[in-house]
Amino acid sequence: DIQMTQSPSVLSASVGDRVTLNCKASQNINKYLNWYQQKLGEAPKLLIYNTNNLQTGIPSRFSGSGSGTDYTLTISSLQPEDVATYFCFQHNSWPLTFGSGTKLEIK
Amino acid sequence: QIQLVQSGPELKKPGESVKISCKASGYTFTDYAMHWVKQAPGKGLKWMGWINTYTGKPTYADDFKGRFVFSLEASASTANLQISNLKNEDTATYFCARARITTGDWFAYWGQGTLVTVSS
Repeated sequence: DIQMTQSPSVLSASVGDRVTLNCKASQNINKYLNWYQQKLGEAPKLLIYNTNNLQTGIPSRFSGSGSGTDYTLTISSLQPEDVATYFCFQHNSWPLTFGSGTKLEIK
Repeated sequence: QIQLVQSGPELKKPGESVKISCKASGYTFTDYAMHWVKQAPGKGLKWMGWINTYTGKPTYADDFKGRFVFSLEASASTANLQISNLKNEDTATYFCARARITTGDWFAYWGQGTLVTVSS
């Protein structure tokens, strides 16, 4: 199984900051990497698919990059509504696996 | 609009069974597979497996073989998850989410989640 390791587990930043969330796969996942945002009590929401494609309706302050085993979600200017837990997810091979999440807080 | 609407919360005792439904609307049900994802309280997301909505064939992740059954009521555009012989560790929110491999459409739409609480 491919293990997905996210870092940091908790990130505290100020409104307007540029924040970077990391996701490392235990083997090459060929850019088949999605990012989801989950707010408290809600279902996850798709933000980015296949490493760097912004899902329709998602603000352009969200972007993704990476290749091989290392992937990044960047929020260019943190907004209060971005408080959530962010999960990466690989769909390169079965079984599908999620990262353990990064909880994003506002300072 | 596309919606996945799940059944309501359940409170069960250990050893009992539970059946959760996920009703799809706004698209052709058989065009997308239905996947199930578990989230224990305060924990991350765990993929449970999926069901081919065209053939009805289920596929289970290793940790969900045995007590878990995916099924369909295709005429009602509904996917079901049944868990038998419930254990305390089955306490979680269960999500359905649709996907289509051929178009790389992975989990753009989710159900709202169903909380299953197992307690004596």
